[in-house]
Amino acid sequence: NAGVTQTPKFQVLKTGQSMTLQCAQDMNHNSMYWYRQDPGMGLRLIYYSASEGTTDKGEVPNGYNVSRLNKREFSLRLESAAPSQTSVYFCASSSHPGGYNSPLHFGNGTRLTVT
Amino acid sequence: GQQVMQIPQYQHVQEGEDFTTYCNSSTTLSNIQWYKQRPGGHPVFLIQLVKSGEVKKQKRLTFQFGEAKKNSSLHITATQTTDVGTYFCAGETGANNLFFGTGTRLTVIP
Repeated sequence: NAGVTQTPKFQVLKTGQSMTLQCAQDMNHNSMYWYRQDPGMGLRLIYYSASEGTTDKGEVPNGYNVSRLNKREFSLRLESAAPSQTSVYFCASSSHPGGYNSPLHFGNGTRLTVT
Repeated sequence: GQQVMQIPQYQHVQEGEDFTTYCNSSTTLSNIQWYKQRPGGHPVFLIQLVKSGEVKKQKRLTFQFGEAKKNSSLHITATQTTDVGTYFCAGETGANNLFFGTGTRLTVIP
């Protein structure tokens, strides 16, 4: 039982390059999330998927796209990376949307640097 | 904008001293969760508070939810080096979204 698995762990991109961050969970959770973590800013929600087949914008969606491929997988795509997207990205899942009795389970994170 | 504020941003304590972090929301929260993130790690769920004035304990950790459900605190008694990390609160406003606080990074000096 791996929980939430993210790949890659580290990535360096040049400005303008694209990439996709992969996330998979094996807990049969309905909801999945992408957060970014920057110093002094806490965790900010980029996009989330309350259930398979749906996606919604979070606090900071600009410059990102997501795909809920199936119940297990939720990917985050940067179409044209910018230095402002240098951050640590966390994928998370929960049994249902919202926080009540539905704690978030986080992956190990992807450290992305855009030069 | 940021809906959940957390103070202090940093706290250095001598091992054995107590530690408290505070979380304040501009709006009433339906529930609040607390997470711990070890250095280089990912956030791990600690506890959830739902009721007004609720107090929960986990060994040396005491969690409180304010009467107005707009603030919360985490108090650690007699800190140990294993308590090192960043503590986040996360409040839900009822819109099925959790808003994380900015976190308090705790350093414990042996």
